[in-house]
Amino acid sequence: GQQVMQIPQYQHVQEGEDFTTYCNSSTTLSNIQWYKQRPGGHPVFLIQLVKSGEVKKQKRLTFQFGEAKKNSSLHITATQTTDVGTYFCAGRLQGAQKLVFGQGTRLTINP
Amino acid sequence: NAGVTQTPKFQVLKTGQSMTLQCAQDMNHNSMYWYRQDPGMGLRLIYYSASEGTTDKGEVPNGYNVSRLNKREFSLRLESAAPSQTSVYFCASSVGTPSISTQYFGPGTRLTVL
Repeated sequence: GQQVMQIPQYQHVQEGEDFTTYCNSSTTLSNIQWYKQRPGGHPVFLIQLVKSGEVKKQKRLTFQFGEAKKNSSLHITATQTTDVGTYFCAGRLQGAQKLVFGQGTRLTINP
Repeated sequence: NAGVTQTPKFQVLKTGQSMTLQCAQDMNHNSMYWYRQDPGMGLRLIYYSASEGTTDKGEVPNGYNVSRLNKREFSLRLESAAPSQTSVYFCASSVGTPSISTQYFGPGTRLTVL
């Protein structure tokens, strides 16, 4: 079954509103990566988080890794139409060698 | 550099037919992967190859076989296609181990099995 859960599955916002997607695991993760997939495109790497409580920023995007390393979030401030797409988290379960992807959150934006 | 390339881009098969999806990367990456993407399911790993000459099963390997032909190429074969294999297939590669390295994805192959 799905070991890395991502919510919400869909999110529709007005341009300029904020957006957040959450990634949760029942077991501790060694690290987590975030990817963005534009409609009709392929996933593109955004960032990797490794440390407990880590926070990283890329312009309007803020990524957090929980203290217990079981959850992560991606927050976009003041969305723009270029933010449209599906955002995936991918985590490595401790002791495992492979990444497990969440189901993704599809973001659509009303201009 | 072309990055990761996949052929074909689109394919329609009849149930029971076989085909091979091709993937190549020109970034001198050690690890390569095959994923399938279905609505609401995210990306699920089919097979991966951590280095030339090795392959390992992922989450959903049944009905598929792979070949790591050389460092550049990693192919995915469907021996007897089934409608449940209708999906978008992505190949990816990374410099190092699957778990900590950035994965670079190809453009995908959209497969329909009738």
